[in-house]
Amino acid sequence: DSGVTQTPKHLITATGQRVTLRCSPRSGDLSVYWYQQSLDQGLQFLIQYYNGEERAKGNILERFSAQQFPDLHSELNLSSLELGDSALYFCASSVDPPGAANTGELFFGEGSRLTVL
Amino acid sequence: GQQVMQIPQYQHVQEGEDFTTYCNSSTTLSNIQWYKQRPGGHPVFLIQLVKSGEVKKQKRLTFQFGEAKKNSSLHITATQTTDVGTYFCGGENTGNQFYFGTGTSLTVIP
Repeated sequence: DSGVTQTPKHLITATGQRVTLRCSPRSGDLSVYWYQQSLDQGLQFLIQYYNGEERAKGNILERFSAQQFPDLHSELNLSSLELGDSALYFCASSVDPPGAANTGELFFGEGSRLTVL
Repeated sequence: GQQVMQIPQYQHVQEGEDFTTYCNSSTTLSNIQWYKQRPGGHPVFLIQLVKSGEVKKQKRLTFQFGEAKKNSSLHITATQTTDVGTYFCGGENTGNQFYFGTGTSLTVIP
């Protein structure tokens, strides 16, 4: 158990719909990362938050948005869903203290598997 | 944008054979991390390398970070069936973006 909790574990929805994925980081971790993993594909970096603020943005579509709340949990919102959005969405957290020269170990949740029909 | 490539994409080995995966970044990395993802599981941290030319060992696993901090390798000696999974390298660029490599899927044949 990594200590990172993601809900829901599975989600099936239709094209055009909107879903919200939730992530609770490990206790004490201030950084949250979101990654998308399509079938048999690598981990595509979407976005990172640190202590409530966006820190880095990767290949995140405009239809997707995310935020980190004061209690440090994060949500990834996916809208106008397309078939190609079907994937496993991972959240990861790290301690990443202020001013750290390097990113520390990332702890991954179990993922949320999204199926768009 | 930054690209982190890994080769090979797939590798099948007989149990007991050695295995190596290579990671190459288009930009200099401040550090490199390696993760293992078992089938149906989530990535799990293996190790972090920070210094240019650094070599670290974990039992049968040997990790190297290139002198230019743009490439890395993971070598497994005498593979076992428990080594099955996908191995990812990852690193942070100057834009604070943590990118993962394309991954190498290892199959070990008993």
